[in-house]
Amino acid sequence: SQQGEEDPQALSIQEGENATMNCSYKTSINNLQWYRQNSGRGLVHLILIRSNEREKHSGRLRVTLDTSKKSSSLLITASRAADTASYFCATLAYNTDKLIFGTGTRLQVFP
Amino acid sequence: KAGVTQTPRYLIKTRGQQVTLSCSPISGHRSVSWYQQTPGQGLQFLFEYFSETQRNKGNFPGRFSGRQFSNSRSEMNVSTLELGDSALYLCASSAVLSGGEETQYFGPGTRLLVL
Repeated sequence: SQQGEEDPQALSIQEGENATMNCSYKTSINNLQWYRQNSGRGLVHLILIRSNEREKHSGRLRVTLDTSKKSSSLLITASRAADTASYFCATLAYNTDKLIFGTGTRLQVFP
Repeated sequence: KAGVTQTPRYLIKTRGQQVTLSCSPISGHRSVSWYQQTPGQGLQFLFEYFSETQRNKGNFPGRFSGRQFSNSRSEMNVSTLELGDSALYLCASSAVLSGGEETQYFGPGTRLLVL
C-alpha cells in the first residue's frame, strides 16, 4: 500500500483564499517532499522538509512536519487560479532510496 | 539545461502486445526512476536505475522491466500487456540538493492506453 494518505481528496476555493492540504504517513522518514502535478503532466518538486525540521517556507508555501503524529501539512497562501493542480506528498524512508507518494489532493482555485 | 524527456507521449496498444518507453534524464543526472500513475492506484514506484544498475524495485510483476544505458538514458518495457496497464508512466531523474538530499525531476509522461 502507499505510504502517504492525503486529506482532503479534493478542495475548491476562491482566489485569494488559503489552501491547506494534509498528508499522513506510516513509517519513520528521512525527509518529506511535496510535489505539484498539472493535469496529466509530470510532477514538479515544490519543497522538501527534513525529519528534524518542523516548519519550512518557500514563497507562498508553508510546510509543517510533525513526526510524532507522522503527518505534514502544506499551506498555500493567497491562492491564484494558476495554483489549480494536484498536490502530492512523498516520503523517503530511512535506508531506502525510493520515494513513496501519497494519494494526492486535487486543488481547484476559482478566479 | 533541458528537462527530462519521454517518448512517445501517447501510445495505444492492444492486449498481449509489448511496449517500450524511453526516458532521457537531465544532463548529468545518473539516477532514473519510473512510476506508474493510475486513477485507482495513484503514483506507484516501478524501479530505479543508477549507473546502469537497478538500485530499487517496486512491487510490480516481472512483465515490467527496465534498463539504463551508459549515457543514463533509460527504457522500460512491459510485455504481454493487460488492460490494467493503461496508465501514465512517469520517468524522473534525480539530483542531490545542497543539503545532501535527493529530489526528483519528472518528465511529462507517456500515456499508454491498452485496448
